Amino acid sequence: DTGVSQNPRHKITKRGQNVTFRCDPISEHNRLYWYRQTLGQGPEFLTYFQNEAQLEKSRLLSDRFSAERPKGSFSTLEIQRTEQGDSAMYLCASSLGARTEQYFGPGTRLTVT
Amino acid sequence: GDSVTQMEGPVTLSEEAFLTINCTYTATGYPSLFWYVQYPGEGLQLLLKATKADDKGSNKGFEATYRKETTSFHLEKGSVQVSDSAVYFCALSENNNDMRFGAGTRLTVKP
Repeated sequence: DTGVSQNPRHKITKRGQNVTFRCDPISEHNRLYWYRQTLGQGPEFLTYFQNEAQLEKSRLLSDRFSAERPKGSFSTLEIQRTEQGDSAMYLCASSLGARTEQYFGPGTRLTVT
Repeated sequence: GDSVTQMEGPVTLSEEAFLTINCTYTATGYPSLFWYVQYPGEGLQLLLKATKADDKGSNKGFEATYRKETTSFHLEKGSVQVSDSAVYFCALSENNNDMRFGAGTRLTVKP
């Protein structure tokens, strides 16, 4: 399967802990996006990369959130000092460039207790 | 800022019924418009798209026409099947970086 993959699929953590999610995009895609989706809502844009450069960050991405794409391939999203409000599905998508379809992964569901 | 407003669900139809899911948008420029579908247990998939006014996107029997005058992109299908049961998201992108989604409409089709 050459689609977008995300790991882990589910993560349960206690408030105050740090968590890290990984996204592996489709191999030839140079753009990678992160979204957050809460129950009953559509995905909300967090940030995107073109190759290894992080080009845009949403105001939703507080100082506790950081994303990297060190070699322009996979990406990680880290949340420090998690809060209950961080509980959501975190989606990753990739595309072949600007103005092309974004392909989504299955998401990582985070539950903060 | 840019936003998308979708018809609230859930929507329940019988097989072979006609489907319309309304979507309207607010944008400062000339966005591309999309419908994504999320089947149970799966990731979001692009269903169809339109990049300029009066374009019609179509796929798997679904259609939507980009109406600039009414700022709408309503999703239609003439005869739904049980397998169409899913959550449908309308979305827009002005620069193809930041995609804005509606809240989603859950469709259930009964045999």
